[in-house]
Amino acid sequence: DQQVKQNSPSLSVQEGRISILNCDYTNSMFDYFLWYKKYPAEGPTFLISISSIKDKNEDGRFTVFLNKSAKHLSLHIVPSQPGDSAVYFCAASHMEYGNKLVFGAGTILRVKS
Amino acid sequence: GAGVSQTPSNKVTEKGKYVELRCDPISGHTALYWYRQSLGQGPEFLIYFQGTGAADDSGLPNDRFFAVRPEGSVSTLKIQRTERGDSAVYLCASSLLVTTYNEQFFGPGTRLTVL
Repeated sequence: DQQVKQNSPSLSVQEGRISILNCDYTNSMFDYFLWYKKYPAEGPTFLISISSIKDKNEDGRFTVFLNKSAKHLSLHIVPSQPGDSAVYFCAASHMEYGNKLVFGAGTILRVKS
Repeated sequence: GAGVSQTPSNKVTEKGKYVELRCDPISGHTALYWYRQSLGQGPEFLIYFQGTGAADDSGLPNDRFFAVRPEGSVSTLKIQRTERGDSAVYLCASSLLVTTYNEQFFGPGTRLTVL
């Protein structure tokens, strides 16, 4: 039972345009959501997070939107840069579960110059 | 400062052998997590420690897997009688606390290959 789903295995975007990565979850107990970025042969790197009491969090070029009623979140990257090319993982957690992270399968983002 | 380190970076072993994977968390981080990432999937939770004790080991696939953190810092993941299906990247992460939301910092992982 996949509790966190990233339905797009890959996404290709032109440099300077917007990248939108999507994530859906099924467990309504999740109350904290995170995006991680991963380059080959490296561990995931934290990018941005959002608490379930918010619907938007912004950090520079990165914005995460949360729609609790739809159990959906998205990551927007504007403008996209070639260095953003990586695998992006959506993750969810709940404090009662010790903040262990439940990850989606990831989306490979390719930003073309 | 130093991040999370994991050794070895690669481990090749034969089916049936015993392996140990080591994780050095960020200094001062009380929470330590182990995840396993198979090809084409996201990391899957195995176990986490709050201090020295294993607070949740519900993700360990079976009793061949065991982890310790005897002094509340370094942790070792131990796999007995390895099977080909154990081949994966084993990731360790640490965070400052468990009781509030804290980002988890990941190490580079240990790639385990069981022949």
